[in-house]
Amino acid sequence: QQQVKQSPQSLIVQKGGISIINCAYENTAFDYFPWYQQFPGKGPALLIAIRPDVSEKKEGRFTISFNKSAKQFSLHIMDSQPGDSATYFCAAGGATNKLIFGTGTLLAVQP
Amino acid sequence: EPEVTQTPSHQVTQMGQEVILRCVPISNHLYFYWYRQILGQKVEFLVSFYNNEISEKSEIFDDQFSVERPDGSNFTLKIRSTKLEDSAMYFCASLVGLNTEAFFGQGTRLTVV
Repeated sequence: QQQVKQSPQSLIVQKGGISIINCAYENTAFDYFPWYQQFPGKGPALLIAIRPDVSEKKEGRFTISFNKSAKQFSLHIMDSQPGDSATYFCAAGGATNKLIFGTGTLLAVQP
Repeated sequence: EPEVTQTPSHQVTQMGQEVILRCVPISNHLYFYWYRQILGQKVEFLVSFYNNEISEKSEIFDDQFSVERPDGSNFTLKIRSTKLEDSAMYFCASLVGLNTEAFFGQGTRLTVV
């Protein structure tokens, strides 16, 4: 019940395209859903996060879509750029702020 | 911009040796966490720490692990007798309060040989 499932494992997108990464969770006690971006040799950095009271949140080129009934959420990166090439992790958190991470998606944006 | 700092960036140790990984959380933060990431795998929760005591720990965090906030600024993770499978990136994170953003450090790469 503590798992967060993430797909795809890797993704190749052309510059200017849309990158879509999906996550699903089981534990309905989760109430915080962040996405982290990680470059090689660096720590995860918060990209965008959502709480279950809204179905969508947009910050610049990054959008989270959240489906509470399906227990799924996704990250959309619009106008993907080579600089977006990184590993993306979804996560889920509850009352203690302990984060359960997905397995990660390696995104490569080709110029 | 305030940041979480971790030292050392890379530590190589022999199996059975003790290691201490150090973290300096952001100064006004109150909640502290250790996570680890085995190469190529997901980030896994190890332990959370608040008000000078452990609030929660995972199955990974067995008796070989301990955490401490010795001086009000540093937050340390000690592994008493390292095993080969302890080789991983260890990340420290801190939060100013519950339901706020977790800031991660750059990590310490621990290699046990």
